[in-house]
Amino acid sequence: QKEVEQDPGPLSVPEGAIVSLNCTYSNSAFQYFMWYRQYSRKGPELLMYTYSSGNKEDGRFTAQVDKSSKYISLFIRDSQPSDSATYLCAMASNFGNEKLTFGTGTRLTIIP
Amino acid sequence: DAGVTQSPTHLIKTRGQHVTLRCSPISGHKSVSWYQQVLGQGPQFIFQYYEKEERGRGNFPDRFSARQFPNYSSELNVNALLLGDSALYLCASSADRAETQYFGPGTRLLVL
Repeated sequence: QKEVEQDPGPLSVPEGAIVSLNCTYSNSAFQYFMWYRQYSRKGPELLMYTYSSGNKEDGRFTAQVDKSSKYISLFIRDSQPSDSATYLCAMASNFGNEKLTFGTGTRLTIIP
Repeated sequence: DAGVTQSPTHLIKTRGQHVTLRCSPISGHKSVSWYQQVLGQGPQFIFQYYEKEERGRGNFPDRFSARQFPNYSSELNVNALLLGDSALYLCASSADRAETQYFGPGTRLLVL
């Protein structure tokens, strides 16, 4: 069993819809949770960074962490065609961010 | 301000050859990490270097090695290349060991 599970998709939604992306994990030591966006043939770009449980909002993006369920989510409101990319969740232990453990990534397409 | 830079962008090698990939971190960042991303998968941690010392190693064979220079740039070396080494190799830098990691565009390696 992988430490981090993420549905690879692909996921297609119409422009303006709310997108929900999710990851589950098995390692209870994870304390730092991140979402990266990766466009085709590019490196991952950090979108959201959360420590421990709770919600964090940044513009159209909201990250949620539920440590009791070992479940994290990223919501994208008013989705735009430019949001079309692969979204990767990443996690690190309470010893810091030396090693990031990634999900497989969800490929998202926003249809105009 | 320049982000993380990597060279070369693309590389084609044959089985058994050796390859050296290079990374320059964001100015002021002292920590460099290397990841391997096989097509359709999330990045897998290979190494982290901080202040020129190895601080973390992932589950990769001894054919993989790295080093960090006094100016904090880094090299990843892979010996005796296998077909399965074909991947996008990503470099990430952070200001300190336990800080957010920022990724470069990657080097795409194809082993024939």
